[in-house]
Amino acid sequence: EIVMTQSPATLSVSPGERATLSCRASQSVSSNLAWYQQKPGQAPRLLIYGASTRATGIPARFSGSGSGTEFTLTISSLQSEDFAVYYCQQYNNWPPVTFGGGTKVEIK
Amino acid sequence: QVQLVQSGAEVKKPGASVKVSCKASGYTFTSYGISWVRQAPGQGLEWMGWISAYNGNTNYAQKLQGRVTMTTDTSTSTAYMELRSLRSDDTAVYYCAREGYYGSGSYFPWGQGTLVTVSS
Repeated sequence: EIVMTQSPATLSVSPGERATLSCRASQSVSSNLAWYQQKPGQAPRLLIYGASTRATGIPARFSGSGSGTEFTLTISSLQSEDFAVYYCQQYNNWPPVTFGGGTKVEIK
Repeated sequence: QVQLVQSGAEVKKPGASVKVSCKASGYTFTSYGISWVRQAPGQGLEWMGWISAYNGNTNYAQKLQGRVTMTTDTSTSTAYMELRSLRSDDTAVYYCAREGYYGSGSYFPWGQGTLVTVSS
């Protein structure tokens, strides 16, 4: 099973600042990685797939990069609606599909 | 628009079973798989398994093998997840999600979630 490790667990950022979230895979997942945003009481929302392609309707301030075992989600200028928990997911080697433990982006 | 609508919240006693439904609309149901993911209170996302809506093939998480069954009804474009021998640590929000966004293994959209509470 591929283990996905996200860091940091919590990221405190001021509105308008840049946020950089990391996701590491225990073995290569090529570019078969997605990022999701989840707000309290809501289902996860797909942001990025294929490591770097934004899903339909996702603002350009969200960008994904990386391949193999190291991945990054960058939010270029945090808006109030971006404070949430973010999860990475690998779908390269499954079953099982595996998720990272999440990074909570909170207001500084 | 593409949408998944799940059944309502359930309260079950330990040892009982629960069956959650997930009705799809806005796309050809048999062209995509459906995955199930659960989230215990305050915890992260846990993959439970996947079913092909085309032929009914399934893959389950090893820890749930023998307790979980996923099925589909193509006549109503509905997927089902049944979990048996419920325990308190099965208390969670259960989500269905369509797998295969633009040919990838990512999930879009997700259902709204179904809270299953297991309590004596």
